[in-house]
Amino acid sequence: DAKTTQPTSMDCAEGRAANLPCNHSTISGNEYVYWYRQIHSQGPQYIIHGLKNNETNEMASLIITEDRKSSTLILPHATLRDTAVYYCIVRVNFGNEKLTFGTGTRLTIIP
Amino acid sequence: NAGVTQTPKFRILKIGQSMTLQCAQDMNHNYMYWYRQDPGMGLKLIYYSVGAGITDKGEVPNGYNVSRSTTEDFPLRLELAAPSQTSVYFCASSPHWTAMNTEAFFGQGTRLTVV
Repeated sequence: DAKTTQPTSMDCAEGRAANLPCNHSTISGNEYVYWYRQIHSQGPQYIIHGLKNNETNEMASLIITEDRKSSTLILPHATLRDTAVYYCIVRVNFGNEKLTFGTGTRLTIIP
Repeated sequence: NAGVTQTPKFRILKIGQSMTLQCAQDMNHNYMYWYRQDPGMGLKLIYYSVGAGITDKGEVPNGYNVSRSTTEDFPLRLELAAPSQTSVYFCASSPHWTAMNTEAFFGQGTRLTVV
C-alpha cells in the first residue's frame, strides 16, 4: 500500500468547513483512498472512501486530485464533536486484507 | 446489532502473567484484525485473519498469538506479559474485499496495564 503524509495537527472554527489534506504521491491505479477518524480513545470510525471520483456522504466529502497524488477530506460544518484524529489510508481492495494506519491529523474544533 | 465486542474493557496484569483478549463480531465478516495503540501514537497492526483457520502477522506480532477457529471470534493471547505491552488494544472486522462496502468496524478497545 502506498504511503500517506498528513499534517500532524490542525485547528478549525466551529461552524466552518474543515479541510484535511493528505498526500499519497506513490498511489497506484488500483488503490483506494480511505478516511477514518478516532474520537478521543474510542475505536476508529469509517468516514468515506474513493478511487478517483469525488465522493460525498452524510458525514463528509472526499476530493481527489486528477493525478490522484493527493486528496482532501471536507467536513462541511464542523462541530465540537468532530474533534478527533483523522487517518488517511491508501489501500488496494483487490485481494488485499491488510489494513494499516499512519499517525493521522489531530483536528481540534475551536468554539 | 452488536458489531464488534471486546472483553474485558480494562485489565491490570503482573509481569509474566498471561491472558486472552476476547473479540467477537456478529456481522459475518471474513477479515478480523488486532491493533495496539500506545499513548499519543497511531494504531499498529499486530495480527490479522482472512477467515476461520487462517491468520497472519502484522507490523508488531512479537509477544502475541492469535487463533481463528470460527468466523465470529478472534482472541489475542499474551503469554508472558511485559511492561512494553501496556497499551490499548483494538479489534476490528471488515467484509471480504468483494463486498459492496468494505469499511472496517472497530470495537471499543481493551486498556491493558502490565506492572
